[in-house]
Amino acid sequence: NAGVTQTPKFRILKIGQSMTLQCTQDMNHNYMYWYRQDPGMGLKLIYYSVGAGITDKGEVPNGYNVSRSTTEDFPLRLELAAPSQTSVYFCASGASGEEQFFGPGTRLTVL
Amino acid sequence: GQQVMQIPQYQHVQEGEDFTTYCNSSTTLSNIQWYKQRPGGHPVFLIQLVKSGEVKKQKRLTFQFGEAKKNSSLHITATQTTDVGTYFCAGTPGTYKYIFGTGTRLKVLA
Repeated sequence: NAGVTQTPKFRILKIGQSMTLQCTQDMNHNYMYWYRQDPGMGLKLIYYSVGAGITDKGEVPNGYNVSRSTTEDFPLRLELAAPSQTSVYFCASGASGEEQFFGPGTRLTVL
Repeated sequence: GQQVMQIPQYQHVQEGEDFTTYCNSSTTLSNIQWYKQRPGGHPVFLIQLVKSGEVKKQKRLTFQFGEAKKNSSLHITATQTTDVGTYFCAGTPGTYKYIFGTGTRLKVLA
């Protein structure tokens, strides 16, 4: 089991560019989450999904989009990147009411 | 919306001293989870509390869930340098949408 994998590990974007952060889990979890963590801060929920085809907004969804076409994959799309989106992005998965397993994170810088 | 605050924000202790972090939610929670994040790492699950007044222990770590299910605490006895990191609580009023606390960063001085 690889657990939760995220790609890329690091990325530098220019203002206005777009990109997709990939997240895959092999634990057959229904629940998947995207969080962002600004330097020295806590985790903020961006979007979450309770199963394939079902997504919902978290605390800070503006500037992001997600899709969940399969149980395994939960990509996060950034459109028109802004410096305020510089952060570390964590994907997580879990079963209902159970622990969340986090990926290693993607460190994104927008210049 | 739901808010989860933690205090203190930072704590420096001498190795061997005890440490406690407190988590307070603006709404009643169905359960609360605790995570540890080492510097440069990702959050790692420690424990989940579900019942009102629940107390769970893991070696030197003691976790409590308040009677009203709106607050929780993590207590570490006799800290070690391996305890360094940031401790987060995460609560949900339901079963899947977790809101993370602001975290407590622990430094242990040898």
